[in-house]
Amino acid sequence: QVQLVESGGGVVQPGRPLRLSCAASGFIFKNYIMHWVRQVPGKGLEWVAVISYDGSNKYYADSVKGRFTISRDNFDNMLYLQMDSLRAEDTALYYCARTREGEAAASSFQHWGQGTLVTVSS
Amino acid sequence: EIVLTQSPATLSLSPGDRATLSCRASQSISSYLAWYQQKPGQAPRLLIYDASNRAIGIPARFSGSGSGTDFTLTISSLEPEDFAVYYCQQRDDWPLTFGQGTRLDIK
Repeated sequence: QVQLVESGGGVVQPGRPLRLSCAASGFIFKNYIMHWVRQVPGKGLEWVAVISYDGSNKYYADSVKGRFTISRDNFDNMLYLQMDSLRAEDTALYYCARTREGEAAASSFQHWGQGTLVTVSS
Repeated sequence: EIVLTQSPATLSLSPGDRATLSCRASQSISSYLAWYQQKPGQAPRLLIYDASNRAIGIPARFSGSGSGTDFTLTISSLEPEDFAVYYCQQRDDWPLTFGQGTRLDIK
């Protein structure tokens, strides 16, 4: 079955970097576009970034553009989110999510990990 | 950016009742709307995609309708496990956006 397992979250000071990882299994990773979505605890969902099958195309929410970088390793079935210049408002639970079968980049999200919590605080 | 407005914010119903949740888009999104269910401590679960198609494994009591700017999620007869928060999401344009959620509470 499809599994997505995020890691790398933690407490970080404002302005510092953090790298999130998502280990994928149970499907052919290189055949799917992947996303990061975040959720402030107790609040709603916000789409963050998307990456194409081979990593050549990426798109970001305005709130993170220029600070976050999405990447992937199709050999190791890993998805990453490099977060630089972190701000208090980046505090959230970060999910990796897989596109639904048959959909392109602008997708609904069929599979989600359990999330990794990022807290930006001094 | 396409804004999705969900109503009501909270819906209090009893098991066996029919639930009707609404999602309105700030501009036409054709049928590119999905619905998710989220329970405390869990990731969202895809219920409906492209306005009216049930995702794999979703019970038939969940149905979606609508197109353009107005969409509805209907739960025909509430089961105890259906009390949760529900979100809509559009995939018609970038950035992908979600509604603010409707909380379905037990009355």
